[in-house]
Amino acid sequence: DAKTTQPTSMDCAEGRAANLPCNHSTISGNEYVYWYRQIHSQGPQYIIHGLKNNETNEMASLIITEDRKSSTLILPHATLRDTAVYYCIVETGGGADGLTFGKGTHLIIQP
Amino acid sequence: GAVVSQHPSWVICKSGTSVKIECRSLDFQATTMFWYRQFPKQSLMLMATSNEGSKATYEQGVEKDKFLINHASLTLSTLTVTSAHPEDSSFYICRGVGGHYGYTFGSGTRLTVV
Repeated sequence: DAKTTQPTSMDCAEGRAANLPCNHSTISGNEYVYWYRQIHSQGPQYIIHGLKNNETNEMASLIITEDRKSSTLILPHATLRDTAVYYCIVETGGGADGLTFGKGTHLIIQP
Repeated sequence: GAVVSQHPSWVICKSGTSVKIECRSLDFQATTMFWYRQFPKQSLMLMATSNEGSKATYEQGVEKDKFLINHASLTLSTLTVTSAHPEDSSFYICRGVGGHYGYTFGSGTRLTVV
């Protein structure tokens, strides 16, 4: 079973920030939080990952709570092309694990 | 960044025939290749893990004689669906891992068995 819990779906207006929550209350000390997204009929795309500090890259920001039991992925200025299923995954890092995908959040960007 | 090229992107085959799906790591050496399957409106499910030069390990419930995996080189892994049946119709996706690269998936193969 997936070790994360995400809302099934979310809507966001184009141009606004999309904030996607993820609960991972059983995360262990050596596990990272990874975010991927999957646009319909394509392979998943890596977005960002973090251990305990907040992270930012050209795609998104990742905010991890101090107790590491939850995190939020932020897409600062959502566009229609950001419509996808977003997966939050915890794993020990390096991508060497098989990755257990939950159901993810279907983010729909509204024009 | 790391790229995994997956072919074909889609294939239609007759029931009882075999289909081969290829995944190539283009700019890194994939010591490990993961193979996933995704049914419509469902999440990805790990099928098997292959390490270069070794036999693949399969997840529970995945038939190793039906889904043949070959990982003979550090840049190529193949999945062959043997004697395909309509229930094997699915979206198959690979993910290559090597060095610092563990985040790259192939673009997926849509298999339809008629």
